[in-house]
Amino acid sequence: NAGVMQNPRHLVRRRGQEARLRCSPMKGHSHVYWYRQLPEEGLKFMVYLQKENIIDESGMPKERFSAEFPKEGPSILRIQQVVRGDSAAYFCASSPHRQGLEKLFFGSGTQLSVL
Amino acid sequence: DAKTTQPPSMDCAEGRAANLPCNHSTISGNEYVYWYRQIHSQGPQYIIHGLKNNETNEMASLIITEDRKSSTLILPHATLRDTAVYYCIVRVDPGGGADGLTFGKGTHLIIQP
Repeated sequence: NAGVMQNPRHLVRRRGQEARLRCSPMKGHSHVYWYRQLPEEGLKFMVYLQKENIIDESGMPKERFSAEFPKEGPSILRIQQVVRGDSAAYFCASSPHRQGLEKLFFGSGTQLSVL
Repeated sequence: DAKTTQPPSMDCAEGRAANLPCNHSTISGNEYVYWYRQIHSQGPQYIIHGLKNNETNEMASLIITEDRKSSTLILPHATLRDTAVYYCIVRVDPGGGADGLTFGKGTHLIIQP
């Protein structure tokens, strides 16, 4: 059973370009969470999705950021018109249920670098 | 969620027990203590959790004080691969899922050969 798969592992973008980060949850997991980790900081929650629905986006910046988790295919975190401050590691996690942090599994992250 | 306080870094000799403390003096009666770790360039990994009783699994032991205001994660025989940042999190469960969850800066544990 493959773990949470994130790609690309590293993504380099110039200011103003779009970044698309993909996350395939573990098999049987319908709950997906995105987190951002700035250099020398802890992980901060961004958004929680359950198949086709955004449940909680309280941690998402109001502009330029969006997330989706379609019925088929991976969850996508999209950042439009990237700026240097978007440079960070973005982690995706999945779980089979909403409750139970012990069943939360993380991917290896996407390191976004904005030039 | 209750706030937690951890030392920023610790050293431990390989083969010895690593004891990582966490203070959570404002913890509520229905809040669990969770421990995760993050090895460099990887996502966090669940280690163990508990409510008030001490817990042990194949990775570690968790000792929670009787007043629940602090806890200690114990890695009984640390190896070089245990070098990581260890996060102590207090969370209501059930009901407190991973949405809104924030990891602090944790403790950077360095295992010395």
